Amino acid sequence: EDQVTQSPEALRLQEGESSSLNCSYTVSGLRGLFWYRQDPGKGPEFLFTLYSAGEEKEKERLKATLTKKESFLHITAPKPEDSATYLCAVQADGGSQGNLIFGKGTKLSVKP
Amino acid sequence: GAGVSQTPSNKVTEKGKYVELRCDPISGHTALYWYRQSLGQGPEFLIYFQGTGAADDSGLPNDRFFAVRPEGSVSTLKIQRTERGDSAVYLCASSLFSGGDTQYFGPGTRLTVL
Repeated sequence: EDQVTQSPEALRLQEGESSSLNCSYTVSGLRGLFWYRQDPGKGPEFLFTLYSAGEEKEKERLKATLTKKESFLHITAPKPEDSATYLCAVQADGGSQGNLIFGKGTKLSVKP
Repeated sequence: GAGVSQTPSNKVTEKGKYVELRCDPISGHTALYWYRQSLGQGPEFLIYFQGTGAADDSGLPNDRFFAVRPEGSVSTLKIQRTERGDSAVYLCASSLFSGGDTQYFGPGTRLTVL
């Protein structure tokens, strides 16, 4: 069964304290891995797409990496405005071309 | 440019009533998706349209749920005989194409069944 597990469930950081969020996945074949940010009461906001192991993408203080079993979202020198829930999702190769399988998310709080 | 829009933003209904939720995708996007998100959970897939046809409806929980996209743009999710367990945020997303293309989400409709 295809599944996605994110850890930790919640993470509290001081402003400027770098850390990483983990997304472990089990799929028959990976078509793509997606990272989203979700603020309370809002829909998920797209951050990155990764397609193959070894791929890395960066945007401001965020960097996403991908291996054959997991992805990391590295946050460098976070600011309070980075506080949100970060969702990881995969699209499997063998099944529907539309279905994203999401993890439960990591709730990040950054204190000033 | 305009993103995905959903109406209403909030819907409160009574158990047993019928509801319709609307999604306007990004202009030109051929694929449209519906997800449901419960508190503290990630979104769960419901149905996916490629053009006007439902390409995959395997996530619909039962036959009380139905969705249409008659002209290949706007979509409506319809729920008959609502139950308290249907309470959740219903999210719509669209992508230019399918098959690994990035899905862009709307703000969601929060459905509360009393």
